[in-house]
Amino acid sequence: AAGVIQSPRHLIKEKRETATLKCYPIPRHDTVYWYQQGPGQDPQFLISFYEKMQSDKGSIPDRFSAQQFSDYHSELNMSSLELGDSALYFCASSFIKQGPNSGNTIYFGEGSWLTVV
Amino acid sequence: ILNVEQSPQSLHVQEGDSTNFTCSFPSSNFYALHWYRWETAKSPEALFVMTLNGDEKKKGRISATLNTKEGYSYLYIKGSQPEDSATYLCAFRSSGGGADGLTFGKGTHLIIQP
Repeated sequence: AAGVIQSPRHLIKEKRETATLKCYPIPRHDTVYWYQQGPGQDPQFLISFYEKMQSDKGSIPDRFSAQQFSDYHSELNMSSLELGDSALYFCASSFIKQGPNSGNTIYFGEGSWLTVV
Repeated sequence: ILNVEQSPQSLHVQEGDSTNFTCSFPSSNFYALHWYRWETAKSPEALFVMTLNGDEKKKGRISATLNTKEGYSYLYIKGSQPEDSATYLCAFRSSGGGADGLTFGKGTHLIIQP
């Protein structure tokens, strides 16, 4: 079965540069989530999109922006990179249009490792 | 800030033994509680999504229970095997809606000793 695809899997950038991460959700999923996991830390929610509109916002820095496109893929843009942005960035997707109390299982991609040097 | 706590932080269990661990979460504004199994360098694997108080779910030797009134969920593993070694994450979603982000606990790191 198709899973959540993230690219690139590894990325090395210098401080103050810009990075873009891409996420391709599972086909027919209408919701995309972005999470950041720093070294030794639990995953932190950044932002989510439902039907191409921003749905919820977590601890996403102002230097970061994201969007979901017409084909439901999403991109996370990170500018003025700092050393502290080095982390594993997970994208996840789910299908929201279900009945009440469905819970909406969320499926994760394998993550994109960003290293800022 | 939502507080999701898991205990214990790490656990060593002998192969063949059964074990369980806890996730506690806010008892108000509950929407769903997710359990994930996470192996190093792999993406988290969804185990269960639990939504109703008293829910019990089972997947092979792994099962989970949910108490939304008191804000806790237990994950049980029966007859532990070496392949069960992983970090088990729980994640809480409040009743803000289906597309809201999850708040993760820090995980229980389970090591099965042969």
